[in-house]
Amino acid sequence: GQNIDQPTEMTATEGAIVQINCTYQTSGFNGLFWYQQHAGEAPTFLSYNVLDGLEEKGRFSSFLSRSKGYSYLLLKELQMKDSASYLCAVRSDRGSTLGRLYFGRGTQLTVWP
Amino acid sequence: DTEVTQTPKHLVMGMTNKKSLKCEQHMGHRAMYWYKQKAKKPPELMFVYSYEKLSINESVPSRFSPECPNSSLLNLHLHALQPEDSALYLCASSQDLSGANVLTFGAGSRLTVL
Repeated sequence: GQNIDQPTEMTATEGAIVQINCTYQTSGFNGLFWYQQHAGEAPTFLSYNVLDGLEEKGRFSSFLSRSKGYSYLLLKELQMKDSASYLCAVRSDRGSTLGRLYFGRGTQLTVWP
Repeated sequence: DTEVTQTPKHLVMGMTNKKSLKCEQHMGHRAMYWYKQKAKKPPELMFVYSYEKLSINESVPSRFSPECPNSSLLNLHLHALQPEDSALYLCASSQDLSGANVLTFGAGSRLTVL
């Protein structure tokens, strides 16, 4: 099975920076994804890392260290609309079976004015 | 069209009913997925289809029966469900099963089993 761990809740204020951490243990690692999910809505894709290092996309950045089984999502210049659950998801490919994407429990971020 | 459309949005059924959830995408994606999500829990993978063939079944009980009639459609047939099967059922699609396969999710079908 998979072991994906991320904090349950975080809070921050508008304009601040927040870092959401994710650690994982998996066999057949083939990429790590971050998704955003607002209450009652479908998850939407934010970022993808398969090699070590930082990927930047506007206000969002994501970092991966494969040797440490660690990733983080960095959100800058926080806005109220960023209040949502942030899901870390790990792709695990074993042999010829491809396509397993396992989600962590999600970090509920609340942004205060 | 960059959407995954799921119907119905809400479904209430008894334990002896037979119903189906439907999912449609017109992005030319060749991989489609069913996930189950309970309140305040992460989505759990149920099935993966690749090029209309079942690729992964995550040991899902047989009361859930998936079907992929063509590359745009994915169904989930429901029969003799239990109250604990009440959840949000999410359909997703991706280009294919290659490494950077970003999933596009539908809005979900919220199922209540009485």
